[in-house]
Amino acid sequence: EDQVTQSPEALRLQEGESSSLNCSYTVSGLRGLFWYRQDPGKGPEFLFTLYSAGEEKEKERLKATLTKKESFLHITAPKPEDSATYLCAVRGNTGKLIFGQGTTLQVKP
Amino acid sequence: DSGVTQTPKHLITATGQRVTLRCSPRSGDLSVYWYQQSLDQGLQFLIQYYNGEERAKGNILERFSAQQFPDLHSELNLSSLELGDSALYFCASSGRGHGTEAFFGQGTRLTVV
Repeated sequence: EDQVTQSPEALRLQEGESSSLNCSYTVSGLRGLFWYRQDPGKGPEFLFTLYSAGEEKEKERLKATLTKKESFLHITAPKPEDSATYLCAVRGNTGKLIFGQGTTLQVKP
Repeated sequence: DSGVTQTPKHLITATGQRVTLRCSPRSGDLSVYWYQQSLDQGLQFLIQYYNGEERAKGNILERFSAQQFPDLHSELNLSSLELGDSALYFCASSGRGHGTEAFFGQGTRLTVV
């Protein structure tokens, strides 16, 4: 069964303090690993798709990387507006898009 | 704006009742997914449709059902509602291919009283 585990559950950073979020996955035939950002009461907002080990994607202060078992979302010099829940999801051969529980990030000024 | 439209935004109903949630996917997207997100819980996959056909099923209760119509919009029907069904229900859509990303609507907040 496809499974996604994210850590930590919650992360508090000072503005400018860089860190990484982890997403461990098991999937039958990875078709894509996806990162989303979700603000309270809103729908998840798509950030990145990664397809194969070694791939990296960047957007502003965010950089996503992928290995055969994990993905990391690196946040460089975060700002308070980066505060949100970050979700990781995988899609395998079943076609199901399975999400982890998310990491709630709080960035204090 | 993701291009995925969900209606209604809010719904308050009593236990035992039946409701229908509606989703219009992004133009050209053939796949529609439904998710349930309870308070402080992750996104639980319910069901996926592709071009009118059921493609994958998650932990969807027997009291819940869904369908995708020829114009590709989808409806999620929830019946015999219980207090525990109170949650945010999200719809997402994606294009052809397993590797394509899904875009989410803003959700329907269901409150069962």
